[in-house]
Amino acid sequence: SQQGEEDPQALSIQEGENATMNCSYKTSINNLQWYRQNSGRGLVHLILIRSNEREKHSGRLRVTLDTSKKSSSLLITASRAADTASYFCATGQVGGSEKLVFGKGTKLTVNP
Amino acid sequence: SAVISQKPSRDICQRGTSLTIQCQVDSQVTMMFWYRQQPGQSLTLIATANQGSEATYESGFVIDKFPISRPNLTFSTLTVSNMSPEDSSIYLCSVEDFGNTEAFFGQGTRLTVV
Repeated sequence: SQQGEEDPQALSIQEGENATMNCSYKTSINNLQWYRQNSGRGLVHLILIRSNEREKHSGRLRVTLDTSKKSSSLLITASRAADTASYFCATGQVGGSEKLVFGKGTKLTVNP
Repeated sequence: SAVISQKPSRDICQRGTSLTIQCQVDSQVTMMFWYRQQPGQSLTLIATANQGSEATYESGFVIDKFPISRPNLTFSTLTVSNMSPEDSSIYLCSVEDFGNTEAFFGQGTRLTVV
């Protein structure tokens, strides 16, 4: 069953602007990961944040995690047309196996 | 990170037939998973491919419809059996190493059933 709920479902911005996507989940997690998918192809791993971490950076990406609110956000700064893709959050469950539960995704369009 | 080769990348199949999708990894990995992504939807886990034993299926997925093999730590296959148009989806192979929870994905197989 789906765990994560991303919002917005779709986001359209201009190149150079920042894009923020949010993810909420329902049960306790070990970690939360963000992935990018271009045009229905394979997923590319972006960043993993563990349940005891609050913020993580990677290049133009910034991820926050609030376990009390069961939510995470992905910020892409200074967006580029090449960032156009669908972005998914996925959670690793406490007490579960290594499998991930994916959210519904946010479709980001960056207009040149 | 593991390099995953998934074949075929796409196929158009007749209803009632079966298609086997292959997933080859360039290194030994502990965990291999198969996901389905229906058009415009997110990923849903079909099963965990277990090396040398039967796969572990998620609710709503059965072995007769999605038989899976995993003969070793670098290779797995997923068969979509007796296909119908509702099986039209992208099927993705994913791998993880135990204790390293980052998952890596193949490029997916885009299946269209006509």
